[in-house]
Amino acid sequence: AQSVAQPEDQVNVAEGNPLTVKCTYSVSGNPYLFWYVQYPNRGLQFLLKYITGDNLVKGSYGFEAEFNKSQTSFHLKKPSALVSDSALYFCAVRDPPTGANNLFFGTGTRLTVIP
Amino acid sequence: DSGVTQTPKHLITATGQRVTLRCSPRSGDLSVYWYQQSLDQGLQFLIHYYNGEERAKGNILERFSAQQFPDLHSELNLSSLELGDSALYFCASSPIQGTSGNTIYFGEGSWLTVV
Repeated sequence: AQSVAQPEDQVNVAEGNPLTVKCTYSVSGNPYLFWYVQYPNRGLQFLLKYITGDNLVKGSYGFEAEFNKSQTSFHLKKPSALVSDSALYFCAVRDPPTGANNLFFGTGTRLTVIP
Repeated sequence: DSGVTQTPKHLITATGQRVTLRCSPRSGDLSVYWYQQSLDQGLQFLIHYYNGEERAKGNILERFSAQQFPDLHSELNLSSLELGDSALYFCASSPIQGTSGNTIYFGEGSWLTVV
């Protein structure tokens, strides 16, 4: 069965420092991986996705993620964190061989950027 | 703005009651998904409709049902409500089925409080 794990419930980083939010996945085939962000009292906003091709994917708001097949990871990164990046981040996976189109989400990581 | 519209944004109702949540997908999107976000269960996939037909079911209770109408809007019906049904219910949409790389876009959600 497909799943993703976000090992950290909370990540704190100082403003201006690089940030990393971790995600590992488990699927039966080649995964389609997604990152979403949820700001307080808001819906889920799409950040970026990996389908195929270049392992480094660039997305919205300066975020990027690196797909690592050997480590089954898809960590979200940003070179310089902003206070406005403070939010709840979700990694998600879609497992094409199952035929299912819905996303399976991790438990979320709360990012706090400290001024 | 994702283009997915959900109503109502907030709803307070009593145990045992029935409510209907409504979703308008992005223009042209044929797939509609419903998700439940709660503190203890995280983001749970409920059900997926494609062009009016049910395509996949997740952790949806028998007390819950959904449908997608010819104009592609969708409704999620929750009946015999219990305190534990209090959650944020998301609707999401994507263009077509069969292309798993499609991005799923989420609405702002409907906050349901059962008292």
